[in-house]
Amino acid sequence: SAVISQKPSRDICQRGTSLTIQCQVDSQVTMMFWYRQQPGQSLTLIATANQGSEATYESGFVIDKFPISRPNLTFSTLTVSNMSPEDSSIYLCSVVWPSYEQYFGPGTRLTVT
Amino acid sequence: GENVEQHPSTLSVQEGDSAVIKCTYSDSASNYFPWYKQELGKGPQLIIDIRSNVGEKKDQRIAVTLNKTAKHFSLHITETQPEDSAVYFCAASNYYGQNFVFGPGTRLSVLP
Repeated sequence: SAVISQKPSRDICQRGTSLTIQCQVDSQVTMMFWYRQQPGQSLTLIATANQGSEATYESGFVIDKFPISRPNLTFSTLTVSNMSPEDSSIYLCSVVWPSYEQYFGPGTRLTVT
Repeated sequence: GENVEQHPSTLSVQEGDSAVIKCTYSDSASNYFPWYKQELGKGPQLIIDIRSNVGEKKDQRIAVTLNKTAKHFSLHITETQPEDSAVYFCAASNYYGQNFVFGPGTRLSVLP
């Protein structure tokens, strides 16, 4: 399976600020995703990070709030912009590789005060 | 779109007993069904999966069964141990790794 790392592992931020989360994979992968997991809840897909083009966002998520970059096949960033306490969640990146299995990173635990 | 239901939401078993978690899905086009284990403070870990051309798959103490006709699949854990305590998520997807839909999760507690 792919080895996925995320930075930071956790952070406490003030409302109105932005946080950029990094995701690094040890193999080149085509499909990379960003999920949000609110406390005690299941996983909700935010967007598909497309290499070399704009991310594809799910209903309820917009680029202005969650801009995503994917400069190459091993790296992506998710920014949570203009944060409010409702953005307090675990943010997870994932990859689908090699036979369409999905693997997740360790997550970034965000608390907004 | 696809909808995945999962039961029970919480499950407590005595160490050594078996645990069964069941999921149902709605889209007959789904053909890949993974199970994830999420321990506190960690990301979900893929523990077993099954594809629609297989009815059952086993890996040591865990097994997954699939009934395509009834659109349901189940996770079976035998000889449970305290380290099996975690939240388990089922999911449904297509062969091409797209459109993963996750169930709401089951919190399993294995009591020593």
